[in-house]
Amino acid sequence: QLQLQESGPGLVKPSETLSLICNVSGGSISNSYRYWGWIRQRPGEGLEWIGSIFYSGNTYYNPSLKSRVTISIDTSKNQFSLRLTSVIAADTAVYYCARDAYCSAGGCSNNFFDPWGQGTLVTVSS
Amino acid sequence: SYVLTQPPSVSVAPGQTATLTCVGNNIGSKSVHWYQQKPGQAPVLVVYDDYDRPSGIPDRFSGSNSGKTATLSITRVEGGDEGDYYCQVWDINSDHRDVIFGGGTKLTVL
Repeated sequence: QLQLQESGPGLVKPSETLSLICNVSGGSISNSYRYWGWIRQRPGEGLEWIGSIFYSGNTYYNPSLKSRVTISIDTSKNQFSLRLTSVIAADTAVYYCARDAYCSAGGCSNNFFDPWGQGTLVTVSS
Repeated sequence: SYVLTQPPSVSVAPGQTATLTCVGNNIGSKSVHWYQQKPGQAPVLVVYDDYDRPSGIPDRFSGSNSGKTATLSITRVEGGDEGDYYCQVWDINSDHRDVIFGGGTKLTVL
């Protein structure tokens, strides 16, 4: 059974960089033909897609965050990572990782997020 | 950018049917996915590709999609169905892929 688990600091200072890792177990990222995504949820608000990375490294980002976001993947460790630079209080949120779409030469399918990690709260505060 | 609009709240009595809507321009041409989120928990996929259910999701959950509105229906509603429900689509604009979530609907079981 595929499982995802987020890890990283729970507190980040304003203007610094938020870094999170998503460890994937129960299945391999390598040659999965899958995108792997990051989604966040500010306190009391809805879901916001941050970006997704293909197993081979191709990325898509939310245009509203693109200038500050980098998502990378390490297939040897079966994990992918999120970096968000120059954070502000409004970046305080629960950050989730999840498996995203399946894409092959014939196109993409399963364009949904399943399963999800349990989420990790990141607070931006001095 | 593409926008999905969901009513902020829906209330329904136990045993009745809850109808949750997701409105978007020509949404009927897209595949719509629905997530249930209970307090303090991660979202869970309950319907994908408009009307398919993942394994383990009861058949009380069903979906449809046509024109400007996608709908998630929950029949014989139970207290355990309370939570927030989000719709989601993929939007392809030239070579850019965008993932869009609706604002969510809070389902209350009276």
